[in-house]
Amino acid sequence: AQSVTQPDIHITVSEGASLELRCNYSYGATPYLFWYVQSPGQGLQLLLKYFSGDTLVQGIKGFEAEFKRSQSSFNLRKPSVHWSDAAEYFCAVGGGSGGSYIPTFGRGTSLIVHP
Amino acid sequence: DTAVSQTPKYLVTQMGNDKSIKCEQNLGHDTMYWYKQDSKKFLKIMFSYNNKELIINETVPNRFSPKSPDKAHLNLHINSLELGDSAVYFCASSQVGDYGYTFGSGTRLTVV
Repeated sequence: AQSVTQPDIHITVSEGASLELRCNYSYGATPYLFWYVQSPGQGLQLLLKYFSGDTLVQGIKGFEAEFKRSQSSFNLRKPSVHWSDAAEYFCAVGGGSGGSYIPTFGRGTSLIVHP
Repeated sequence: DTAVSQTPKYLVTQMGNDKSIKCEQNLGHDTMYWYKQDSKKFLKIMFSYNNKELIINETVPNRFSPKSPDKAHLNLHINSLELGDSAVYFCASSQVGDYGYTFGSGTRLTVV
């Protein structure tokens, strides 16, 4: 069974500081990996995704993530955080199987940005 | 243009009532989904539906039923609402082969 662990429930950073949100997954084959962001009162927005190829994936809003198969990780990074990045971040893992696909989401990491 | 729209945004109702939440997507996506987000932000898949296949999460009570009048709409009907049904319900869509979801802004359901 596929699963996702986001070890940090909350992360606090200062505006302008770098950011790394951790995500560890469990999946039997090559996974599809995703990061979503949820602002208060809003739906989730896809930041980036990894299916195959280059293990460093660029996304929207200046985010990137790196797939490390040996560590079963897909950590999200941003070099300089803006106050507007304060939100809930979800990692998700899935993969195609028989034409049917449903990703599993982690429990989220809440990002707090101090001015 | 809203890509995935849900109505209503808020829904307050009494236990035992029947209610529906509507979802429409204008992206031309093949597959639509319903997710439930609980008070701890945990997202749980409820249904996945395209014009060929309905996949039901076996843990979802049969009081919940998806109804799709056409490819662009997937409504969620809930019978005999219970207190534990209070949550935020998200509709989402994706294109086969992409799997990156586009989410609606959610419907906050409160059962009193």
